[in-house]
Amino acid sequence: DAMVIQNPRYQVTQFGKPVTLSCSQTLNHNVMYWYQQKSSQAPKLLFHYYDKDFNNEADTPDNFQSRRPNTSFCFLDIRSPGLGDAAMYLCATRGTSGNNEQFFGPGTRLTVL
Amino acid sequence: AQSVTQLDSHVSVSEGTPVLLRCNYSSSYSPSLFWYVQHPNKGLQLLLKYTSAATLVKGINGFEAEFKKSETSFHLTKPSAHMSDAAEYFCVVIRSSARQLTFGSGTQLTVLP
Repeated sequence: DAMVIQNPRYQVTQFGKPVTLSCSQTLNHNVMYWYQQKSSQAPKLLFHYYDKDFNNEADTPDNFQSRRPNTSFCFLDIRSPGLGDAAMYLCATRGTSGNNEQFFGPGTRLTVL
Repeated sequence: AQSVTQLDSHVSVSEGTPVLLRCNYSSSYSPSLFWYVQHPNKGLQLLLKYTSAATLVKGINGFEAEFKKSETSFHLTKPSAHMSDAAEYFCVVIRSSARQLTFGSGTQLTVLP
């Protein structure tokens, strides 16, 4: 089945230790998104790629970066995680056929010790 | 600018009774509206979507929503709640031509036995 895959599902890191979260898709969608979702809150868009074009939300901290080496993969890099970065990180994709639906992965829960 | 307001942060119903989750939207033009569901520690799953076709939209798992322009509402309903419906529900609107999602604050649905 075509899908959005996130690895790992659970990630534990130490304060200040860089961490990378992975997202892959078999949908061949042009657009990929990264969201941050803190406990009991709605997802918050961090950035997205339209093909190779990177679009950063204005309030996304510099501590968060992203890479998209090809259509299938997108990575979220947190350079120096703080305790406030503990959250669920959701990856989503969207095609460009006119349907605005976004397809979400299962998320990676990040714990910062 | 487009936005959505979910009127209840928590809704509690008994199994077998109707479910009503309320959402009001604000949009300068005809919006695209979605309802997503999120079970604990899972990603978001699309329940249903309105894209200016039929005003009564049927989704998965027996849910439906009615787009009412005069009331600027897009409430989610289900005739009979099941225990497996317990989850967080998000009303979402497409944000302008950028096709980004703007999430409501979410409604936590509890289903009592």
